[in-house]
Amino acid sequence: GENVEQHPSTLSVQEGDSAVIKCTYSDSASNYFPWYKQELGKGPQLIIDIRSNVGEKKDQRIAVTLNKTAKHFSLHITETQPEDSAVYFCAASKRSNDYKLSFGAGTTVTVRA
Amino acid sequence: NAGVTQTPKFQVLKTGQSMTLQCAQDMNHNSMYWYRQDPGMGLRLIYYSASEGTTDKGEVPNGYNVSRLNKREFSLRLESAAPSQTSVYFCASSVGNEQFFGPGTRLTVL
Repeated sequence: GENVEQHPSTLSVQEGDSAVIKCTYSDSASNYFPWYKQELGKGPQLIIDIRSNVGEKKDQRIAVTLNKTAKHFSLHITETQPEDSAVYFCAASKRSNDYKLSFGAGTTVTVRA
Repeated sequence: NAGVTQTPKFQVLKTGQSMTLQCAQDMNHNSMYWYRQDPGMGLRLIYYSASEGTTDKGEVPNGYNVSRLNKREFSLRLESAAPSQTSVYFCASSVGNEQFFGPGTRLTVL
C-alpha cells in the first residue's frame, strides 16, 4: 500500500517567517495530494490540494509544490501568523483506490510572536 | 448545515465493554470513512463506505465493525474494547476527492 512520510515532525518559526513541510510518497500511481490543518480539539480541515497534472498551486499565503519524478510534495506557508499554529497533515490517494487517503504522521507548527 | 457530527465527544470504557460511535452527515455525500488518530502516526483508515449498503476494510479494521445505516449515518462498533483501542476517532464524508471531517470522539479504554 501507499506509504507517506512527512518531515519535520515539529517546526517552530518566528511570526512573519516562512514554514516549509515536506512529504514523500511511495506509490507512483497516486495522483491526488491534499494538505489538512488540524487545530486543537478539532477535526482536520482541507487547506489546499494538488493533482498530479499540476506542479504548483497557490492560495494566498499557502502554496503546494509537487515533484512526480522524485515522488515528493511540499507545503509552503509565507508570512506566518499566530493563527497558523496547528498540526498539518499531508496525504496521498489515487482514483483506482476510490481516493482513500494515506496520511503522513503530521507536523506540529508553532508560530512565535 | 451541521456538516459531519459525531457522538459522543468523550468516552471511557473498561476492557471488554462494547460501544458504538455514531456519525452523521447532512451534505448528501455518498462516501463515508472512519479513522483513528494516534500520536506520531497520523490518521489511519479503519473502515470505508462508498455508498449506502456497502462497506470495506481499511488499514486497521481488526476489533471494529461498521454499519452504513442509510446515506447519512455510518456507525463504528467496538464489540470488546481493548486498551490498544484508546485513540481519537474521526468520521469523514466526501464528494469526489475532498473529505470533510467531524470533530472527533476521544475514547479511553482502561
